[in-house]
Amino acid sequence: EPEVTQTPSHQVTQMGQEVILRCVPISNHLYFYWYRQILGQKVEFLVSFYNNEISEKSEIFDDQFSVERPDGSNFTLKIRSTKLEDSAMYFCASSPIQGTEAFFGQGTRLTVV
Amino acid sequence: GIQVEQSPPDLILQEGANSTLRCNFSDSVNNLQWFHQNPWGQLINLFYIPSGTKQNGRLSATTVATERYSLLYISSSQTTDSGVYFCAVATGRRALTFGSGTRLQVQP
Repeated sequence: EPEVTQTPSHQVTQMGQEVILRCVPISNHLYFYWYRQILGQKVEFLVSFYNNEISEKSEIFDDQFSVERPDGSNFTLKIRSTKLEDSAMYFCASSPIQGTEAFFGQGTRLTVV
Repeated sequence: GIQVEQSPPDLILQEGANSTLRCNFSDSVNNLQWFHQNPWGQLINLFYIPSGTKQNGRLSATTVATERYSLLYISSSQTTDSGVYFCAVATGRRALTFGSGTRLQVQP
């Protein structure tokens, strides 16, 4: 069964460093998403991406964040100048059509020290 | 934005018991999904159910879109059912909005 894959599963980084989280969406899907879950809290939407453009973003997704689809398979989330409060589980998701079932990856646990 | 409320926030069951989890939402939706977050933090898709009823083994779900709620039923619960259950909804072309979850603990 096709699945969304994320790498790495866990990343530790020093405050102030840049990190890139990687995702490979399901191959025939057109819409891609990043979500964040701070420990013990609910899952929050960050950004959606379609046709090489951001289609929607939340208030959380400020200039510190950027997304890119550098090739035909990968979808990345870059976090610049990480802060302690960026520590969270980051989920990538994809869907074939916007507004239909979204499939989530297993998550990347980011720890900023 | 759309509001999603889940109840109860916490639930403790004995193995073998049945349970019902509820999700209320504040607007019409075209997407509603139920997820199980396991102890490793992974989000497992349970149901895509913007309306109607579906069943998968011991789990079933019903969404009454006109009344803006969805129910997740767990029958004959097992310890492996423990974790957090999230309801997430979307309107139009918007991304999913998650509820705060129901934390389920099934005791042997």
